[in-house]
Amino acid sequence: DGGITQSPKYLFRKEGQNVTLSCEQNLNHDAMYWYRQDPGQGLRLIYYSQIVNDFQKGDIAEGYSVSREKKESFPLTVTSAQKNPTAFYLCASRTERAGPYNEQFFGPGTRLTVL
Amino acid sequence: AQSVSQHNHHVILSEAASLELGCNYSYGGTVNLFWYVQYPGQHLQLLLKYFSGDPLVKGIKGFEAEFIKSKFSFNLRKPSVQWSDTAEYFCAVNSRFSSNTGKLIFGQGTTLQVKP
Repeated sequence: DGGITQSPKYLFRKEGQNVTLSCEQNLNHDAMYWYRQDPGQGLRLIYYSQIVNDFQKGDIAEGYSVSREKKESFPLTVTSAQKNPTAFYLCASRTERAGPYNEQFFGPGTRLTVL
Repeated sequence: AQSVSQHNHHVILSEAASLELGCNYSYGGTVNLFWYVQYPGQHLQLLLKYFSGDPLVKGIKGFEAEFIKSKFSFNLRKPSVQWSDTAEYFCAVNSRFSSNTGKLIFGQGTTLQVKP
């Protein structure tokens, strides 16, 4: 089955600790994205990457970091600098073939709770 | 800055009622428009999308949306909802200028609860 996997599904961390969320896709998509979902605020873009070894900040990048060493993988690190890290995190990917109008496909999400 | 506004935050309907969820965006240029749905415990998935052509687009599960350029709107409709339509619905936009990055701006979401 082709798709996007995110692990773990639930994650608990103590305040002040960095934590890394995994995102893997086997869709052979070029672009990958990280969003944060909070109740009543929709999805907000944290980081995105259109190609291996390159990534760009989204609207709320402060306190987060990413890497894109492989096409299939786009891990997100939530650092201790993120003031309000408790949220639902969604990873997405998108092909850039056949034009720029393709939709994003989403993973199941990771719910991070910082205690 | 671009923004997307969904006016209805929480909608409660009985089965067989008609549905219309509002979505307005603020961007003066050419846009691509999407509606995504998040069923309880499931992935966010695409309902329908508009890029060009007929402004009335049909999606999965009997949903449709109409793009009205003069009103900067892309409202989602379904003539008769079912209990299984209970979910959260998100409108999203990207501009043709930024479409090569695929960046999406999402609305706040609308929670639809359908009573059996």
